[in-house]
Amino acid sequence: TQLLEQSPQFLSIQEGENLTVYCNSSSVFSSLQWYRQEPGEGPVLLVTVVTGGEVKKLKRLTFQFGDARKDSSLHITAAQPGDTGLYLCAGVRNTDKLIFGTGTRLQVFP
Amino acid sequence: ETGVTQTPRHLVMGMTNKKSLKCEQHLGHNAMYWYKQSAKKPLELMFVYSLEERVENNSVPSRFSPECPNSSHLFLHLHTLQPEDSALYLCASSQQGGDTQYFGPGTRLTVL
Repeated sequence: TQLLEQSPQFLSIQEGENLTVYCNSSSVFSSLQWYRQEPGEGPVLLVTVVTGGEVKKLKRLTFQFGDARKDSSLHITAAQPGDTGLYLCAGVRNTDKLIFGTGTRLQVFP
Repeated sequence: ETGVTQTPRHLVMGMTNKKSLKCEQHLGHNAMYWYKQSAKKPLELMFVYSLEERVENNSVPSRFSPECPNSSHLFLHLHTLQPEDSALYLCASSQQGGDTQYFGPGTRLTVL
């Protein structure tokens, strides 16, 4: 079974702080996705990274795909309470099939 | 209605009950998925339907029975469930061959 480990598992920070979430695997993926899931809702896709070493920015969120396409990171600058949620990475191996990570639950306090 | 909808949003059932979860997608997609999300476990893929045919069954117990009558609708029929089946059940859809899946809000299932 391919496993995607995310760290940290839980993160509680104050508004304005920076944070980084990691997603690691021993498997190579053709691409990797990041989702955010809010309470009572399904996951919503934030970004897909495809090329090894690729960096994508979405406002205050910066996503990086590892050179070997086995790992990824999500960096949030100046976190806000609206960033609170469960962050999930998902590796794409074959089309139509996603392998989800273990998740990072983020709480940003005002 | 847009996106992916799921009903009911919450369901409480006894171990001897039979119930069904419904998913509907309004995105024109031709692939649909059932996932199980439990506390302390990653999202687990249960079933995949592509062009209304089941293409994946991830070793799911037979007490879960999927049905895909057309490309817009997906059901999960439940019978004789166990308390450990309590979880959030998520439906998703995509274009066949595409890697972007759109999720519904889920059904929170509690088995007593």
